[in-house]
Amino acid sequence: NAGVTQTPKFRVLKTGQSMTLLCAQDMNHEYMYWYRQDPGMGLRLIHYSVGEGTTAKGEVPDGYNVSRLKKQNFLLGLESAAPSQTSVYFCASSYSTPGGEAFFGQGTRLTVV
Amino acid sequence: EDKVVQSPLSLVVHEGDTVTLNCSYEVTNFRSLLWYKQEKKAPTFLFMLTSSGIEKKSGRLSSILDKKELSSILNITATQTGDSAIYLCAVEAGGYQKVTFGTGTKLQVIP
Repeated sequence: NAGVTQTPKFRVLKTGQSMTLLCAQDMNHEYMYWYRQDPGMGLRLIHYSVGEGTTAKGEVPDGYNVSRLKKQNFLLGLESAAPSQTSVYFCASSYSTPGGEAFFGQGTRLTVV
Repeated sequence: EDKVVQSPLSLVVHEGDTVTLNCSYEVTNFRSLLWYKQEKKAPTFLFMLTSSGIEKKSGRLSSILDKKELSSILNITATQTGDSAIYLCAVEAGGYQKVTFGTGTKLQVIP
């Protein structure tokens, strides 16, 4: 009963390095999301996808790219990491729009030094 | 710009107490309000409230939506240490996929 799985769970990057965060869900959900969570800021939507092959920008998309080549996977890429991208990243999925229950992964703690 | 404000920011209570957490919102074209509980890691869903479902209850937790006052409360009765968590309020409004989260209320229940 995996639900939403994120890898890796922790990562330290140097400024300018790139990396990809992987999110996988086994619930056959159409909708997937990437959020970042910072102290005092709440969860903010980075990018989202309403189905395989589709992606769209959320509230804070700058510096990130995403891809949804398979329905069960949603990748978040950082091409050139900056210290401002130090955060906890959450992936989520839902059967319908966000107005319905969303299932979250366990988070990825990313530190950019 | 849509806004979701939660209060208080943090709260410490003793086991057995009853607590009320608040969420107010200013959004365009409200669709639904959701409550999540976040313990150490992933937020987990508690309730969804809409115009057609303004009150929900599950065990010791209950929530009410007040569309006139643009707010919601989350009540927890007979609190337990396991209720210690951050409680997040989120509002879906307006255009497609637009969900705004509040910053959360951190609840600590002490024995």
